[in-house]
Amino acid sequence: DQQVKQNSPSLSVQEGRISILNCDYTNSMFDYFLWYKKYPAEGPTFLISISSIKDKNEDGRFTVFLNKSAKHLSLHIVPSQPGDSAVYFCAASGGETSGSRLTFGEGTQLTVNP
Amino acid sequence: EAGVAQSPRYKIIEKRQSVAFWCNPISGHATLYWYQQILGQGPKLLIQFQNNGVVDDSQLPKDRFSAERLKGVDSTLKIQPAKLEDSAVYLCASSPRDPQETQYFGPGTRLLVL
Repeated sequence: DQQVKQNSPSLSVQEGRISILNCDYTNSMFDYFLWYKKYPAEGPTFLISISSIKDKNEDGRFTVFLNKSAKHLSLHIVPSQPGDSAVYFCAASGGETSGSRLTFGEGTQLTVNP
Repeated sequence: EAGVAQSPRYKIIEKRQSVAFWCNPISGHATLYWYQQILGQGPKLLIQFQNNGVVDDSQLPKDRFSAERLKGVDSTLKIQPAKLEDSAVYLCASSPRDPQETQYFGPGTRLLVL
């Protein structure tokens, strides 16, 4: 039962353009969402999060949007830089069954071309 | 501030052998997590400790996996006996208290079971 899905395994964008990474979830009890970035041979690093009481959170070049009715969140990176090339995971937590446990999506490999 | 330390970084064993992984979390972090990340998938929580106690081990295959956290600091994860499907990266993470605070990940141990 894949409760968090990232349907695009990969995304390629040009430097300076916008990168949009998408994530869908099925558990309506999730109330906290996060994005992590992972470089090869390293552990994931926290990027940005959003609570279900908000629909947008911004941190520098990174903005996360949450659409609760569609059970969809997205990460926007503007402008994209070559150093942003990494695997991006979305994660969610909340609800009686999952509680504080983080459930991760499969990840999207972002490549930013110079 | 030192990050989460894990060892070994790589391990190759034959099926039915035993293996153990070690994790040293960030100093002062009360919560420690072990995740399994199979190739092409997102990290999956195996076990969560709060200080010495287990908070969530619902996804830990207890017939072969075990974990302990001595004195609320370091932790070891053991697999005995290993199966081919245990080939994965084992990630350790820590947070000050709970997952709705940022989790900091170690570099992981890559396990290959032949």
